[in-house]
Amino acid sequence: GAVVSQHPSRVICKSGTSVKIECRSLDFQATTMFWYRQFPKQSLMLMATSNEGSKATYEQGVEKDKFLINHASLTLSTLTVTSAHPEDSSFYICSATGVQRETQYFGPGTRLLVL
Amino acid sequence: GESVGLHLPTLSVQEGDNSIINCAYSNSASDYFIWYKQESGKGPQFIIDIRSNMDKRQGQRVTVLLNKTVKHLSLQIAATQPGDSAVYFCAEIFTSGTYKYIFGTGTRLKVLA
Repeated sequence: GAVVSQHPSRVICKSGTSVKIECRSLDFQATTMFWYRQFPKQSLMLMATSNEGSKATYEQGVEKDKFLINHASLTLSTLTVTSAHPEDSSFYICSATGVQRETQYFGPGTRLLVL
Repeated sequence: GESVGLHLPTLSVQEGDNSIINCAYSNSASDYFIWYKQESGKGPQFIIDIRSNMDKRQGQRVTVLLNKTVKHLSLQIAATQPGDSAVYFCAEIFTSGTYKYIFGTGTRLKVLA
């Protein structure tokens, strides 16, 4: 149980385009989903926390207009990187928790490369 | 501020030996701790957890020890295998009041054949 999927697993796009990444909880209802960014050989950096049906809470330094997060249902959250630039290239990982909000279960990650 | 850190950024272990990965935390109010394993190019995978009112928990080939006196958490892997090579993160979780999840910086475990 507690499986989280992400799509796509890898995406290459041109600078200036927008990219949408989906995060789904497959076998549980995710009341809260988290989006992380990870640079090579570094730990996870929390970008934002989203609760179903409400606006996401962004961490300091993360541009909300740049990284649009939507959590429209209890099983789906999306992260849209708008007007992507090469410096947005990274590994993006989502996670989800259930009602008790204890364990975060992580998705497999999405590798974004902006040319 | 609050932090969770690891003593060793890289640990090399001979195949078949036991591995011990350490984590120090600074806040005694945490409720819960989790160890995650992250293989290259993949998301973190839950390994084992322990509540703050426990001092030991065992899983399959893994044991987590919690020493609240010195605020130290460790993950022991018995008979380390090549498939154990990965980065291991500890996470400190606060569920009372403001929900908070703090990750350690990670330790890379290299298993030598």
